[in-house]
Order: sequence, then structure tokens, then C-alpha cells
Amino acid sequence: GENVEQHPSTLSVQEGDSAVIKCTYSDSASNYFPWYKQELGKRPQLIIDIRSNVGEKKDQRIAVTLNKTAKHFSLHITETQPEDSAVYFCINTGTASKLTFGTGTRLQVTL
Amino acid sequence: ETGVTQTPRHLVMGMTNKKSLKCEQHLGHNAMYWYKQSAKKPLELMFVYSLEERVENNSVPSRFSPECPNSSHLFLHLHTLQPEDSALYLCASSQGTGGVYEQYFGPGTRLTVT
Repeated sequence: GENVEQHPSTLSVQEGDSAVIKCTYSDSASNYFPWYKQELGKRPQLIIDIRSNVGEKKDQRIAVTLNKTAKHFSLHITETQPEDSAVYFCINTGTASKLTFGTGTRLQVTL
Repeated sequence: ETGVTQTPRHLVMGMTNKKSLKCEQHLGHNAMYWYKQSAKKPLELMFVYSLEERVENNSVPSRFSPECPNSSHLFLHLHTLQPEDSALYLCASSQGTGGVYEQYFGPGTRLTVT
């Protein structure tokens, strides 16, 4: 992976609202797009991923969409809950030695 | 969450000290990684090992020296560190390399250099 830009850096939503985080990458060879969640004081964990042969993947309240033409992929969280509060990272992958993490988005779900 | 363990969990060291961080994975994975996580900065990949061979050193200063004696263990030897090296050091493993495998992270070692 090369450069990856992640936006926004912080996001505050009310419980029940939706949240969208976007990553833009530059390496056209990338074909795997994962999202990780890191709760406060805990380790990052994979929550969802998508491969370049599909445009959208959904798992309950979370979904990832991919636009290879525009070189961006997004994480969508619907019906947000307090336990969704965490830092979310995208990764631009190529070879293992070129893994590049996004700068992270701190999501705060307020009651 | 015991697939990847790290010791110690916290470490305070002076700039002239020598210490080592240890990582162990119990998942039968072939690849292991060291990451540095600093406040307000993205995770930085430091080293990648595949089947005990170093795949990449991402321009990491020589005061950080990795060692992978077997596919289950990974060490990071530290010497003459600087205060800016204070960070959370995360170890991870994956089934293979190639960037398409899920990374399983350890809990990290919180390092403070005084």
C-alpha cells in the first residue's frame, strides 16, 4: 500500500444514528480492504473486510463499500450503539511489507 | 483473546538501558509483525517476519533490533532509545503475508523512555 487518507479524524453521533468513515488510497494494485476497530485500551481487531471483486459487503449493522474507480472505500455503521465508540482504522494493503494504516477515526456515540 | 501474548505489558527504561519485548502467538500462524502506535499518529509497521525470515524493515532505526527464533516467537531488542520512542508497541500475527490476511494483535507493551 502507499498513501491512505482517512476522514473524518473524529466523529460524534447520537445513539441510533448512522456513522460513515471513508478512506482514499493511491495504490491501484490494492485488492483487499479491511477495517479494524480499537476500543480504548484494547488491541485492534478486524471487524469487516472487502475484496476488489465486490462493491459492498454487509454484516449486521456494519457495511463496507468499495469504489475502485475512485479509489476509496467506506465503513458504514447503522443504528449506532455506545459500544461502537472506538477508533476505527482502514488499511491499504499490497504486500505485507507495504501495509499502511489510515490515521484513524475516533467515533463517539452519545446517549 | 489469548492467541497473541506480549510481555511485559508496561516498561519504563532509561536511554542507556537495554531491554527486550517478547511476543508469542498460539495460532499456528506463519507471519509476525511489530507495530508502533504513538498518540495521534497512525499505526506504523516496523518489521515483518515470514517463516522466521525478515521480509521488511521499514526504515526503522538500528536501536530497534528484531529477532524471530521460530514462527511462534518474536522479540524486539531495545537499546539507547530516545524519549520519542515512547509508544505502544503492538505485535501481530497472520496466517500468511501478502497483506490479505487478518492481523491478530497482541495487547501491546506500553513503553516509556525517560
